[in-house]
Amino acid sequence: AQKITQTQPGMFVQEKEAVTLDCTYDTSDQSYGLFWYKQPSSGEMIFLIYQGSYDEQNATEGRYSLNFQKARKSANLVISASQLGDSAMYFCAMREGGGGGADGLTFGKGTHLIIQP
Amino acid sequence: EPEVTQTPSHQVTQMGQEVILRCVPISNHLYFYWYRQILGQKVEFLVSFYNNEISEKSEIFDDQFSVERPDGSNFTLKIRSTKLEDSAMYFCASRWGAEAFFGQGTRLTVV
Repeated sequence: AQKITQTQPGMFVQEKEAVTLDCTYDTSDQSYGLFWYKQPSSGEMIFLIYQGSYDEQNATEGRYSLNFQKARKSANLVISASQLGDSAMYFCAMREGGGGGADGLTFGKGTHLIIQP
Repeated sequence: EPEVTQTPSHQVTQMGQEVILRCVPISNHLYFYWYRQILGQKVEFLVSFYNNEISEKSEIFDDQFSVERPDGSNFTLKIRSTKLEDSAMYFCASRWGAEAFFGQGTRLTVV
């Protein structure tokens, strides 16, 4: 089974609208972290936001928020007031086993977001 | 702002040749990683390195691959005998806390 599932291969959104990128995950660990990264066409991986499994509040970073629903094992990224510069690939990722270990990230297949003027 | 630096940005190599990809992680970070991304696909974990030894590796990281941290700053990935299917973007990452910071990547093309 996929550990990270992103069901939207591509999305078109009008500028200034809010957008929700879906992510569901699968783990039997109690302690894990969830991450979103942005990959523009230039190729670099840009960290956006992190949510720990024990965090009760949804994480927010500027225009980004993570809608964490633990019982449903979902960690959707919400971008408010989208901008043309938000056009990119977005990857959801998970690290199992808590924040203190050296475990690597497992990534989803990504969502290609295109913001239209 | 400190960043992870990778060199070279592009490398073209003949099949069967050895390549070394270089990374300078952020200086106070403790955990170091290599990932790869085949064109148009998702990012895949290769190996993690902590306390001067490999902590975890994926099934992709076979005997053709090795990592070293030869001094206090560099972190290298060596591919001993490259194959066509090793063509990919290779990312180095480092972290101290929860989030990992990625370098800009090395695009490796095996011909």
